[in-house]
Amino acid sequence: KAGVTQTPRYLIKTRGQQVTLSCSPISGHRSVSWYQQTPGQGLQFLFEYFSETQRNKGNFPGRFSGRQFSNSRSEMNVSTLELGDSALYLCASSLGGGAFGTDTQYFGPGTRLTVL
Amino acid sequence: ILNVEQSPQSLHVQEGDSTNFTCSFPSSNFYALHWYRWETAKSPEALFVMTLNGDEKKKGRISATLNTKEGYSYLYIKGSQPEDSATYLCAFPGNQFYFGTGTSLTVIP
Repeated sequence: KAGVTQTPRYLIKTRGQQVTLSCSPISGHRSVSWYQQTPGQGLQFLFEYFSETQRNKGNFPGRFSGRQFSNSRSEMNVSTLELGDSALYLCASSLGGGAFGTDTQYFGPGTRLTVL
Repeated sequence: ILNVEQSPQSLHVQEGDSTNFTCSFPSSNFYALHWYRWETAKSPEALFVMTLNGDEKKKGRISATLNTKEGYSYLYIKGSQPEDSATYLCAFPGNQFYFGTGTSLTVIP
């Protein structure tokens, strides 16, 4: 079974631009979560989508948004990029059928975003 | 915001040593506790999802225990090998997923 894939793997943008990252979950998985990893902050939860609906949200500004399509693929968008948005963005998929947080999550390789 | 703490922050052990680390989390509103292994340049890999107080899970030389009443979980590695070198993360799902900052393990051959 193919794992979680993320595109692109690397991205360089300048301040003020916007960016869209994509995540394709494992086949059959309906939940996709997004995380930001920075050296100073560790792994921070952005949001979780299940069946095209945002089910849970972390403490990030409205510049960070996402969506999920009917095939469970998910995109994350960051508008008006700031230097502090430079990070590794990971997505993780899970079956999603149980209560939030009880399913095993499978992580993708991440997208490394650099904002200049 | 919930506090998930891991200790120690880093650990260097000799090959063959056994080791353990701790994850502390809020003892109220418990759903589950996740352990991950994150090797450099790879994706975090799920080790265990623990849901019941007193749970003990094992995967090869790695095992974990859970105490939901006092809010802690231990991860044990028996007979550490160089390939066990990684950062070990725990995560607590509350209204969002809260990750600890991890324990960085280096196994010296």
